[in-house]
Amino acid sequence: SQTIHQWPATLVQPVGSPLSLECTVEGTSNPNLYWYRQAAGRGLQLLFYSVGIGQISSEVPQNLSASRPQDRQFILSSKKLLLSDSGFYLCAWNPGQVTYEQYFGPGTRLTVT
Amino acid sequence: GDSVTQMEGPVTLSEEAFLTINCTYTATGYPSLFWYVQYPGEGLQLLLKATKADDKGSNKGFEATYRKETTSFHLEKGSVQVSDSAVYFCALSSSYTDKLIFGTGTRLQVFP
Repeated sequence: SQTIHQWPATLVQPVGSPLSLECTVEGTSNPNLYWYRQAAGRGLQLLFYSVGIGQISSEVPQNLSASRPQDRQFILSSKKLLLSDSGFYLCAWNPGQVTYEQYFGPGTRLTVT
Repeated sequence: GDSVTQMEGPVTLSEEAFLTINCTYTATGYPSLFWYVQYPGEGLQLLLKATKADDKGSNKGFEATYRKETTSFHLEKGSVQVSDSAVYFCALSSSYTDKLIFGTGTRLQVFP
């Protein structure tokens, strides 16, 4: 069966520090991968998605970036965090075929102080 | 463009009450429709889905019917439990892309 992992689970970082969040999927190959952000009490905002290694689409211009160095690994990064980057970051995957549902990881709670 | 509209929350119910959470959509083509549930501090879980008009998705006592004529996919449960307290998201598959379009979420609070 397929599983999705995210780490770290929680993170507290000062303004201006770098960020690296990691997401890995097991039990599937060539998945579509997605990064979402959820601000407190708000809905989901799609940040990036990838349909293959090295293929990244950005949905919202900001100080975040994403990379996909391996087929089942998706990384969210920032060189300098802003207070507004605080939130709950969710990674999701999809088989990338005729089925459209996405499966979500447990999330990373990021607090920028 | 494609969009999903959910009723504002929170929805507050007593245990064993009937639940309806409204969801309507605007889409081109023939989207698939989904309900996701998010428990506090967790990621989203797929609750149910429907892939074509008149399909009924069901899971854990929840159900929703894909109504093309009214562009709706309302979530229902006959008797809610305290453990159903969570945020519920309606979503559709965006036409010709690999993305989902989510509603803003509806918080459900069930009291004993």
